[in-house]
Amino acid sequence: AQSVTQLGSHVSVSEGALVLLRCNYSSSVPPYLFWYVQYPNQGLQLLLKYTSAATLVKGINGFEAEFKKSETSFHLTKPSAHMSDAAEYFCAVASGGYQKVTFGIGTKLQVIP
Amino acid sequence: DAGVTQSPTHLIKTRGQHVTLRCSPISGHKSVSWYQQVLGQGPQFIFQYYEKEERGRGNFPDRFSARQFPNYSSELNVNALLLGDSALYLCASSLASGGGFYEQYFGPGTRLTVT
Repeated sequence: AQSVTQLGSHVSVSEGALVLLRCNYSSSVPPYLFWYVQYPNQGLQLLLKYTSAATLVKGINGFEAEFKKSETSFHLTKPSAHMSDAAEYFCAVASGGYQKVTFGIGTKLQVIP
Repeated sequence: DAGVTQSPTHLIKTRGQHVTLRCSPISGHKSVSWYQQVLGQGPQFIFQYYEKEERGRGNFPDRFSARQFPNYSSELNVNALLLGDSALYLCASSLASGGGFYEQYFGPGTRLTVT
């Protein structure tokens, strides 16, 4: 079984401040981990993915995430928030075999000018 | 290159009716997955198809069914609609299936409202 827990359904940061969105995972096998972003009335866009290579993963739009096995965490960070980062962010986990992806409940990021 | 396309964009149905949602994957992609996203929640896995065969099924009732065609497009069918079926239905395509993980590309979704 696999699951993810996103801590904080809503996060507010000031423009230019650090963005930190938290995600913890549970998986019985080495996981593949992802962060997706969803803008209003749109589908999901992949920000970054961990597939057992480097533990620090860099994604699009300046985001990065670090895989920490000892903490079963995969937190998403960005050094400086932009207004355009306001969206909903989903952490997700998948295992090998077929392509079932299990998503967290999402974190809505608000960026305050 | 065109991304994943879904039709219709929105639709409204009445309880008890049937609905068919359609998805066209990215050219060259042979795998299609369907997800249901209820308002305020993350997407939930419904089905995965690869080479016209069902490769995975989530925890959804038998009212939900799907199929994949020779051109790799896919349909999701839902019978006897319930109010709780109101959601955004997302389709995702990927190159293949199994033996690791292939990045999934999501379409914009179909917003289904059941009244």
